Amino acid sequence: DAKTTQPPSMDCAEGRAANLPCNHSTISGNEYVYWYRQIHSQGPQYIIHGLKNNETNEMASLIITEDRKSSTLILPHATLRDTAVYYCIVRVASNDYKLSFGAGTTVTVRA
Amino acid sequence: DVKVTQSSRYLVKRTGEKVFLECVQDMDHENMFWYRQDPGLGLRLIYFSYDVKMKEKGDIPEGYSVSREKKERFSLILESASTNQTSMYLCASSFGGGSLKEQYFGPGTRLTVT
Repeated sequence: DAKTTQPPSMDCAEGRAANLPCNHSTISGNEYVYWYRQIHSQGPQYIIHGLKNNETNEMASLIITEDRKSSTLILPHATLRDTAVYYCIVRVASNDYKLSFGAGTTVTVRA
Repeated sequence: DVKVTQSSRYLVKRTGEKVFLECVQDMDHENMFWYRQDPGLGLRLIYFSYDVKMKEKGDIPEGYSVSREKKERFSLILESASTNQTSMYLCASSFGGGSLKEQYFGPGTRLTVT
């Protein structure tokens, strides 16, 4: 799976949009971009994934650049409960089912 | 909503004890997983199961075994607990049909072996 690079931390004001960048410059054509998050002392939570088109669900939006070398996860109206570590990973269909998280971005939403 | 539950949030056991960690999912998922998470080491897959009575070793199966007698339940067994098995244990499940299906995690069990 391609390697990803994320900033180690970022702050966001409550009620504002949080834009979380992820660089995956070595992504190949059949690799998907996934986002998970982990709130302190809880299990990871799936957020969203995409291949090349932008995606939106009830939790977030995923914007993937045209060259697919980077993406941005957008939390449209951040709340204090969105404070968590956010992981961007790229995955390809394979026999390898395991998820491998890097260091992620620690997002702190402030009142 | 998918719900994955784990039998305990916190567990303290003594070295040499046999430890059972239970996981139950309510979404009829084919796949179930056991990971452990340690600071600086990220998530590591211990075992996964793609069907009842089926299991596959993950990256760190040594010292562990698993059991899946029913589709909704996946148990992790530490045959003889050791201090290096002190960790956060996470269970997950996903639909079948390939490795790209999103995984849904339980709240985790923080196991301390003394």
